[in-house]
Amino acid sequence: SQTIHQWPATLVQPVGSPLSLECTVEGTSNPNLYWYRQAAGRGLQLLFYSVGIGQISSEVPQNLSASRPQDRQFILSSKKLLLSDSGFYLCAWSASPEFSPQHFGDGTRLSIL
Amino acid sequence: KQEVTQIPAALSVPEGENLVLNCSFTDSAIYNLQWFRQDPGKGLTSLLLIQSSQREQTSGRLNASLDKSSGRSTLYIAASQPGDSATYLCAAMDSSYKLIFGSGTRLLVRP
Repeated sequence: SQTIHQWPATLVQPVGSPLSLECTVEGTSNPNLYWYRQAAGRGLQLLFYSVGIGQISSEVPQNLSASRPQDRQFILSSKKLLLSDSGFYLCAWSASPEFSPQHFGDGTRLSIL
Repeated sequence: KQEVTQIPAALSVPEGENLVLNCSFTDSAIYNLQWFRQDPGKGLTSLLLIQSSQREQTSGRLNASLDKSSGRSTLYIAASQPGDSATYLCAAMDSSYKLIFGSGTRLLVRP
């Protein structure tokens, strides 16, 4: 069966520090991968999605970036964090956007001090 | 631009009641409509996916319907249990294959 892993589960970082969140999927190949942010009291906002290695689409202009160095690995990064980057970050995958549901990881709670 | 709205924002019911959660979307050009459950501090769990050509999907005590022409979907939960307490999110997949989420309905089932 397929599983998705995200780490770390929680992270506290100072303003201006770098960020790297990792997501990996097991048990499938060539998944569509997604990064979302869920701010307190708001819905999920799609940040990035990827249909293949090295193929990244950005949805929201910001100081975050994403990379997909391997088929089942998706990384969210920042060179300098802002206070507004605080939130709950979720990674998801699907086999087919049109016909398959998205499956989510357990998320990373990011707090910026 | 697709917008998804969920009503009510919160709902409290006694155990055993049947209940309906509502979801509406502004653009009927969707590929599918997905329902998720989110427990506090956790990720989302997929419950049901309804293709645009379908009218409903069922899984156990859950039944989701889709009416594209009116821009509405409902999630019906039969014989609710305290373990059903969670936030329920609906999401419409737009013409760009992106999921647009509602803000969710927070459900509390009282023992």
